[in-house]
Amino acid sequence: EDKVVQSPLSLVVHEGDTVTLNCSYEVTNFRSLLWYKQEKKAPTFLFMLTSSGIEKKSGRLSSILDKKELFSILNITATQTGDSAVYLCASQGGKSMRFGAGTRLTVKP
Amino acid sequence: ETGVTQTPRHLVMGMTNKKSLKCEQHLGHNAMYWYKQSAKKPLELMFVYNFKEQTENNSVPSRFSPECPNSSHLFLHLHTLQPEDSALYLCASSQDRGVGTGGGWNEKLFFGSGTQLSVL
Repeated sequence: EDKVVQSPLSLVVHEGDTVTLNCSYEVTNFRSLLWYKQEKKAPTFLFMLTSSGIEKKSGRLSSILDKKELFSILNITATQTGDSAVYLCASQGGKSMRFGAGTRLTVKP
Repeated sequence: ETGVTQTPRHLVMGMTNKKSLKCEQHLGHNAMYWYKQSAKKPLELMFVYNFKEQTENNSVPSRFSPECPNSSHLFLHLHTLQPEDSALYLCASSQDRGVGTGGGWNEKLFFGSGTQLSVL
């Protein structure tokens, strides 16, 4: 059965810290991996990754995919309190998109 | 604002009530989805509609009944729910689900803010 596992489940850091969130997947006919940020209710799109080793970057956020080892990481540098949210990883394969349980990040002032 | 609007934002209902959740997207997309998000669990896909046709039903109990009158609107009709159905119900849309492409599409989902449902 397809599955997506995120770690850690929760993380508390202080402003200015750098964090790395992990996502491993086992998906039949893998096509892409996506990261979303869920602050209150609506998850908002961050990245879609389809190729190994190519880093995607947006401001202080970056992500990379390793299709051989079946995982992705999301890095956030110089964290701010506004980065506090649940970060969701999802993998697309076959006809379905499967989500992980998310990592709850709390950034303290 | 993601372009996907859900109403109501909050709903409290008894087990014998009938209610409906509404979702509207203003993005010109052709695929719409219902997801259920329970506390500390992954998002669960419930239903998918592509060009108004239901293409997926993930073994959802019949007390949940979806309706998609056109590509911009999606409803979830609720009746005789159970307390364990309490959750955040999220609607999403995407460009389409690659009809005729043999499944080789990549979906970028746009989510609404959800309806927080409590069943008493």
